[in-house]
Amino acid sequence: EAGVAQSPRYKIIEKRQSVAFWCNPISGHATLYWYQQILGQGPKLLIQFQNNGVVDDSQLPKDRFSAERLKGVDSTLKIQPAKLEDSAVYLCASSTISGRAGELFFGEGSRLTVL
Amino acid sequence: KQEVTQIPAALSVPEGENLVLNCSFTDSAIYNLQWFRQDPGKGLTSLLLIQSSQREQTSGRLNASLDKSSGRSTLYIAASQPGDSATYLCAVRRTNAGKSTFGDGTTLTVKP
Repeated sequence: EAGVAQSPRYKIIEKRQSVAFWCNPISGHATLYWYQQILGQGPKLLIQFQNNGVVDDSQLPKDRFSAERLKGVDSTLKIQPAKLEDSAVYLCASSTISGRAGELFFGEGSRLTVL
Repeated sequence: KQEVTQIPAALSVPEGENLVLNCSFTDSAIYNLQWFRQDPGKGLTSLLLIQSSQREQTSGRLNASLDKSSGRSTLYIAASQPGDSATYLCAVRRTNAGKSTFGDGTTLTVKP
């Protein structure tokens, strides 16, 4: 079974530029999450989708971050314009809504450096 | 608001030692608790998932316990090896459709 796929793995941009990250969850997983992990800290949820609807985006800085999950499968997270404090690893995770519901599976992450 | 704490932040032990990692949470109304391992520059790998109705889960040299009433979980690692060196994180989920709240992790170093 293929795991959660993310790209790109690394991205370096200047502040005020834009960047986009892509995630493809495990096949059949209805719920998709984007987490931000700053060095030395645990992941913090940015947005949670179930199918193509948003369940929780309370911690998403909506003035600069946006995310979509068209067709309820893969997802894109965009940052525009980027700030220095956005330097972090952006982790995508997915989970099923049946069986072992709520068990999170993570991708390798996309490391963003903002200069 | 759920808060998850992992103490200590870092731990160094000699190879072969048995050790316990701690995870505390403030709200005992949880759906499940999950332990992860994170190697440098990598994503999170799931180790063990404990449902709220369970007291413990075991996988190989790992054993995780859950005490909801006291807001605690422990991850026991038997006969530690240098390959166990990594950051260990716990995550607490409130409902089956809700979000998981993470601790900041314990970074384990096992010295040969």
